[in-house]
Amino acid sequence: SQTIHQWPATLVQPVGSPLSLECTVEGTSNPNLYWYRQAAGRGLQLLFYSVGIGQISSEVPQNLSASRPQDRQFILSSKKLLLSDSGFYLCAWSRGAGREKLFFGSGTQLSVL
Amino acid sequence: DQQVKQNSPSLSVQEGRISILNCDYTNSMFDYFLWYKKYPAEGPTFLISISSIKDKNEDGRFTVFLNKSAKHLSLHIVPSQPGDSAVYFCAASFGNQFYFGTGTSLTVIP
Repeated sequence: SQTIHQWPATLVQPVGSPLSLECTVEGTSNPNLYWYRQAAGRGLQLLFYSVGIGQISSEVPQNLSASRPQDRQFILSSKKLLLSDSGFYLCAWSRGAGREKLFFGSGTQLSVL
Repeated sequence: DQQVKQNSPSLSVQEGRISILNCDYTNSMFDYFLWYKKYPAEGPTFLISISSIKDKNEDGRFTVFLNKSAKHLSLHIVPSQPGDSAVYFCAASFGNQFYFGTGTSLTVIP
């Protein structure tokens, strides 16, 4: 069976510090990978998605970047965090040709102070 | 531009009654529609999906209805249970992307 791991669960960072959130998927190959953010009281905003190693599509211009160094690894980064980067970050995966299901990780609650 | 909309931020229903959650979309190219349940500080859990070529899909207490002409879908939960209290997101997919609504908070009153 397939599983998705996302860490850390909670993170408190000062403004201007760097960020690295990691996500890995097990039990499947060539998944599509996604980063979403849920700001307080808001819906799920797509930040980045990737259909293969090194292929990143950005949906929203912002202070964040994403990388996919391995087939089942997706990393969300920032060089300098802003207060507005606070939120609940979710990694997700889908089968390459499958648009009928998207599977989410457990999320990371990021607080930038 | 919000392509998937959930216009009701909250809904309260008595235990045992039907819960109806609604969702509207604008892009006629969407080919799958999905519903998720989410608890605070947890990732969304997939509930049920429907292909754009169908108008109904059922799984246990959950039924999703799709009205393509109205660009509208709904999730019916029958009977509603207190454990169903959560935020429900609808989503639509096209290409490699999934677009989500802003969610409806469902409270099932015992």
